Amino acid sequence: RKEVEQDPGPFNVPEGATVAFNCTYSNSASQSFFWYRQDCRKEPKLLMSVYSSGNEDGRFTAQLNRASQYISLLIRDSKLSDSATYLCVSSGTSYGKLTFGQGTILTVHP
Amino acid sequence: GAVVSQHPSWVICKSGTSVKIECRSLDFQATTMFWYRQFPKQSLMLMATSNEGSKATYEQGVEKDKFLINHASLTLSTLTVTSAHPEDSSFYICSASRGDTDTQYFGPGTRLTVL
Repeated sequence: RKEVEQDPGPFNVPEGATVAFNCTYSNSASQSFFWYRQDCRKEPKLLMSVYSSGNEDGRFTAQLNRASQYISLLIRDSKLSDSATYLCVSSGTSYGKLTFGQGTILTVHP
Repeated sequence: GAVVSQHPSWVICKSGTSVKIECRSLDFQATTMFWYRQFPKQSLMLMATSNEGSKATYEQGVEKDKFLINHASLTLSTLTVTSAHPEDSSFYICSASRGDTDTQYFGPGTRLTVL
C-alpha cells in the first residue's frame, strides 16, 4: 500500500465550480501535511499546510482528520489558472522527509 | 526569499556518460538538501537526503554509487548520475530546507534525457 494515496483523476470542471480532493495516508506517525501544486514540467509549489483545525486561504480550504488518516482540499469558484496537478504530501517521522502522493489532475474549462 | 536554483535546466547526453546537476540555495543557508526524481505521470520520489559536510542518506533502492551526492557547502549540493543509461532519463528536482522548519523550497528541476 502506498504511504500517501490520492485519486489521480482527472477532474474536469467548469469555471466557477467547487471541487474537492481527498487523500489518505498510512503512517499514523506522520507529523505534518501539505498540499502542493505542480504545473506541467515544473517543480511543485507549496499551496498550503494542513492542520487538524482546518485552514483556509482564499478560495482554498484544507482539512486534516487524524482519526481517519485523511486529508482534503476544497477549491471554490475554480479559475482556469487552477488547472494543475495537486499533490498531497506528508512529512513523516524522519525530519524533513516528504512523501508525495501520486497527484490529482485538475482541468478547469471555460 | 528562499530561492533555490538548479543547473542545468535540461541536459541530453549519450549512454555511458556522467552528468552533474547543481542545486543552490540563493538567499539562505540550507542545512539539508533533498534530491527527488519524477518519472512521467508519476509523483516525486525521494532519492536521498544530504546534510552539509556529511554523507548522504539514500532511500531504499537508490544506488549510492550510481547517484553521487556531494553537499560541500550550506548553499550547494550536487548530484552526479554516473554512467547514465536511458532508464535514468527523468526529471530531477532538488529541494532545500533551512532546518528550523520542515518547509522545503524546491528548485526548478533538471530534465535529463539519456540517448
